[in-house]
Amino acid sequence: KQEVTQIPAALSVPEGENLVLNCSFTDSAIYNLQWFRQDPGKGLTSLLLIQSSQREQTSGRLNASLDKSSGRSTLYIAASQPGDSATYLCAVYKNRDDKIIFGKGTRLHILP
Amino acid sequence: GAVVSQHPSWVICKSGTSVKIECRSLDFQATTMFWYRQFPKQSLMLMATSNEGSKATYEQGVEKDKFLINHASLTLSTLTVTSAHPEDSSFYICSASRYLYEQYFGPGTRLTVT
Repeated sequence: KQEVTQIPAALSVPEGENLVLNCSFTDSAIYNLQWFRQDPGKGLTSLLLIQSSQREQTSGRLNASLDKSSGRSTLYIAASQPGDSATYLCAVYKNRDDKIIFGKGTRLHILP
Repeated sequence: GAVVSQHPSWVICKSGTSVKIECRSLDFQATTMFWYRQFPKQSLMLMATSNEGSKATYEQGVEKDKFLINHASLTLSTLTVTSAHPEDSSFYICSASRYLYEQYFGPGTRLTVT
């Protein structure tokens, strides 16, 4: 059974710092991996989608990497800003049946 | 492109009544839609998968008679919570699959049962 773990569960860092959020999954037979952002009481905002044939994706200050063989992905946020404060969810697409398994998320707080 | 809407965004209902939540893909056709439930400070849990014109497939532990799902068209799926009780209070999020292995999420519906 696929399990997705995100570490740390919560993180507070001063504004301006670079930071890394970690995601690991137990079954390397995934298709895509996606990082989302969720603000309190809101839905999901897709940040980056990494297809199985890719190793990383970049969007602005965000960079996500994927290492399927080791079952790991990282989300790198450069020059963090208070507006980056949110919960970040990692999700993997199971092979063949198109279902997503979510991690429990990392609650990020950027201190101004 | 690839916008998914949900209606209502929030709803309060009395215990014992039923409430319907709509999920629409606004600018694409979705052969598959998914319904998730999220408790406070928890992650999303898949409730069911629905395909247009066929019965929904429910995840283990989800009561199909309580959570009725209808996927009548390629752009609309509905979730009806029947005989709602306070423990059904939660945040419900739908997603629509535009391509295989690529889902687009709605903004969610906050259900409060009093």
